[in-house]
Amino acid sequence: AQSVAQPEDQVNVAEGNPLTVKCTYSVSGNPYLFWYVQYPNRGLQFLLKYITGDNLVKGSYGFEAEFNKSQTSFHLKKPSALVSDSALYFCAVRDRRNTDKLIFGTGTRLQVFP
Amino acid sequence: DAGVIQSPRHEVTEMGQEVTLRCKPISGHDYLFWYRQTMMRGLELLIYFNNNVPIDDSGMPEDRFSAKMPNASFSTLKIQPSEPRDSAVYFCASSSQGTDTQYFGPGTRLTVL
Repeated sequence: AQSVAQPEDQVNVAEGNPLTVKCTYSVSGNPYLFWYVQYPNRGLQFLLKYITGDNLVKGSYGFEAEFNKSQTSFHLKKPSALVSDSALYFCAVRDRRNTDKLIFGTGTRLQVFP
Repeated sequence: DAGVIQSPRHEVTEMGQEVTLRCKPISGHDYLFWYRQTMMRGLELLIYFNNNVPIDDSGMPEDRFSAKMPNASFSTLKIQPSEPRDSAVYFCASSSQGTDTQYFGPGTRLTVL
C-alpha cells in the first residue's frame, strides 16, 4: 500500500537558519509526491510536487524538496527560514491504485523563532 | 477566481441535530473532495466526486454521513443526526482532470455539543 511518513511532529528552527521537514514514502513504482502547507485557520495550500525529472523541485515561498529514490525520501527544505513560515506541513503521495486520491502524512508543525 | 468556497465557516450545533456543510468548487474543476481533520486522526478523505458522480465513499464514517453533488458548482455534506465525535474541521477541495494539485477551501469548523 502507498503511504508517506513524517517522522517529526514538530520542527523548531531559528529565523535565518536553514530548515528541513522530513518525509519518507512507501510506494510501488514511481511515486508522485507533494508538499502542502496549512496556516492557522486556513485550508491546505499546494507548495510543490515531484512527478519526474530533476530530483530537486522548487516551489512556492522559496521552498524546495529533494527526491531521493535510494532513501525513499522527499524532504522539504528552505535555505533561510522566516517566522511567517511557521505552519503545519503535509507530505502526500498519489495513490497508485486510485490515482485520483492523495494519501497525506500526519503533518509536521514548523515553528520558526525570531 | 475566488477559490474553493465553503459555508458556513463555523457551525455549533447540539447532538442529534442535522448539519449541512456546503462547498462551491473552482469553476472548471471536475473533481471534488471532502476531507475531515481532527487532532486524533489527522486528515481523512471522506468521499470524492468526478463530474458530479460519487467515485469513492469508503472514507465516510457511517450512514449518518451523506454527500451530494447536484451540479458542477455545488456540493453538500450532511450529517444526520450529529454526534459530539463528529466535531472536526471539514475541508472541501477541487482539482481538474489531468492535474494532481488539489485546491482546498478554508474549511468549516463543526462543534457538536
